[in-house]
Amino acid sequence: GAVVSQHPSRVICKSGTSVKIECRSLDFQATTMFWYRQFPKQSLMLMATSNEGSKATYEQGVEKDKFLINHASLTLSTLTVTSAHPEDSSFYICSASSPEGEKLFFGSGTQLSVL
Amino acid sequence: QKEVEQDPGPLSVPEGAIVSLNCTYSNSAFQYFMWYRQYSRKGPELLMYTYSSGNKEDGRFTAQVDKSSKYISLFIRDSQPSDSATYLCATRLSGGGNKLTFGTGTQLKVEL
Repeated sequence: GAVVSQHPSRVICKSGTSVKIECRSLDFQATTMFWYRQFPKQSLMLMATSNEGSKATYEQGVEKDKFLINHASLTLSTLTVTSAHPEDSSFYICSASSPEGEKLFFGSGTQLSVL
Repeated sequence: QKEVEQDPGPLSVPEGAIVSLNCTYSNSAFQYFMWYRQYSRKGPELLMYTYSSGNKEDGRFTAQVDKSSKYISLFIRDSQPSDSATYLCATRLSGGGNKLTFGTGTQLKVEL
């Protein structure tokens, strides 16, 4: 299957700092990427849909000024958690649609811990 | 009511057992059905991908979809300790891009 790379895998930061997470499609171009967050023992919650060259579409209840998404190229989308607080601590996962558009492949996830 | 319901488990089975994992969904418009495996603190890995009703087999894994009862299943034959993970079912609409609706996941433990 298609490979999606996500970095960093783990980040610990102080409250009030901003954290950037990168998501890359390694061997294919992805016009659409998705960002999820997952709390322990819970399912994935879609945060936003990232579209190359245009603004991201955020799900209801997700603060777009808090979670900045940039999809500047066909292989890279970034999620920036601005002014992070302890309640933002979570597992963040990106995904990208396969070239034929039917299947969704996930990155390895980023565990964010805000102290 | 959640759109996709899945028993969170945990489900514990002995090595070699046949495992049955199930989900129900409420939206009859869902057309595509997937099973993902997720190891702890890792991203989900696509295991099975099916369209509409029917069966699909891949090695030790068999996915079944019964649209009349809105019921999807994943069977794992000859289960191994390496199968221990959380299994997530997911669905999506036809023409809905790749916006998936996930179940909560079932935690499986295969014991020696």
